Amino acid sequence: QKEVEQDPGPLSVPEGAIVSLNCTYSNSAFQYFMWYRQYSRKGPELLMYTYSSGNKEDGRFTAQVDKSSKYISLFIRDSQPSDSATYLCAMSENSGNTPLVFGKGTRLSVIA
Amino acid sequence: ETGVTQTPRHLVMGMTNKKSLKCEQHLGHNAMYWYKQSAKKPLELMFVYNFKEQTENNSVPSRFSPECPNSSHLFLHLHTLQPEDSALYLCASSGTPRTDTQYFGPGTRLTVL
Repeated sequence: QKEVEQDPGPLSVPEGAIVSLNCTYSNSAFQYFMWYRQYSRKGPELLMYTYSSGNKEDGRFTAQVDKSSKYISLFIRDSQPSDSATYLCAMSENSGNTPLVFGKGTRLSVIA
Repeated sequence: ETGVTQTPRHLVMGMTNKKSLKCEQHLGHNAMYWYKQSAKKPLELMFVYNFKEQTENNSVPSRFSPECPNSSHLFLHLHTLQPEDSALYLCASSGTPRTDTQYFGPGTRLTVL
């Protein structure tokens, strides 16, 4: 079983829709969870960062972590065409310069 | 705009060539990383440097040779590559040893003929 599973999509939604992106993982030691957004021909940029279980909201974006289910989600409200990108989940066990374990990324297209 | 820059942005090379990728970070970070991103695969960590010292090498073939002369600069020297090495090579940096926030450069798109 791969350490982090993420459906690669592609996922296509109409503008204004609520988008749900998800990752599952197998390593119960993961405590730090991140979502990166990667536009075409660009490097990934950090979008959300959470520690342990719970929710974190930033504008139209909400990150959820359920450690008991080993499941994390990113919700995008009122999606815009500018949200079209690949979204990568990443996680690590502890603080420090610990290398991150990434999912494959989900490609999202928001259609105007 | 990102504080991590990479050059060149695109590179085409033959299997017998020798080339180098360059990464520079302007964020005052101490750790730098090389990743390989191939289609339909997760980001693969290649090397980690902390305070100029290599702390991790994820079984990367010796045809990839990293160099970190200081905390702001990171190179990846390439020689006798294979076509399957064609990918996007991403550099990243992170701050003090107590942060996991990595900031990525735009990447170098490498094609090996």
